[in-house]
Amino acid sequence: AQTVTQSQPEMSVQEAETVTLSCTYDTSESDYYLFWYKQPPSRQMILVIRQEAYKQQNATENRFSVNFQKAAKSFSLKISDSQLGDAAMYFCAYRSRHGGSQGNLIFGKGTKLSVKP
Amino acid sequence: DTGVSQDPRHKITKRGQNVTFRCDPISEHNRLYWYRQTLGQGPEFLTYFQNEAQLEKSRLLSDRFSAERPKGSFSTLEIQRTEQGDSAMYLCASSYTAQGLNEKLFFGSGTQLSVL
Repeated sequence: AQTVTQSQPEMSVQEAETVTLSCTYDTSESDYYLFWYKQPPSRQMILVIRQEAYKQQNATENRFSVNFQKAAKSFSLKISDSQLGDAAMYFCAYRSRHGGSQGNLIFGKGTKLSVKP
Repeated sequence: DTGVSQDPRHKITKRGQNVTFRCDPISEHNRLYWYRQTLGQGPEFLTYFQNEAQLEKSRLLSDRFSAERPKGSFSTLEIQRTEQGDSAMYLCASSYTAQGLNEKLFFGSGTQLSVL
């Protein structure tokens, strides 16, 4: 079974600085998706960034980028120029690309990010 | 596009009672998912529908839980004989995808269930 581990329960960053959130996962599959989701106090999960495992190039979305290390099964999120609105819970998630488990996301326990003004 | 809507936002019930939650997905989204999130944890998959067909159910979905999606539009999640361990936030998500490729899930704001 696949698992996702986020080893940092809480992180803090100064406004305008850069922070990196860690995520490792375990799978025997070679083709899958990885995601970072943001959950603000409003509770709605919002997709931040997505990476396809077959792509070697790291995904980037504006101030958000990932460091995808497939062999190490590591998928970290870097937030540059942190803003107050970035404060939220961040969840790393895995999804199989094929087979019966295609329909569901497997989430880590989350990292609570605080942004200091 | 008004997003994924869930009702109610909060539900307090007594142990042993039945509860039903509703999810209205984004119009024309063919897939609908239910997740459960307990305090300090990430969401856990419960079940999903492709149109009106329920294609996958997690082992977390005990016999007391039932989900429906009549006509492939809105969905309901019913919990019978609620237990205190059912207290959690129940999240709904929807997506449009062909063959499961390039799928992007849109989540609702959840229904927070408290069982006393």
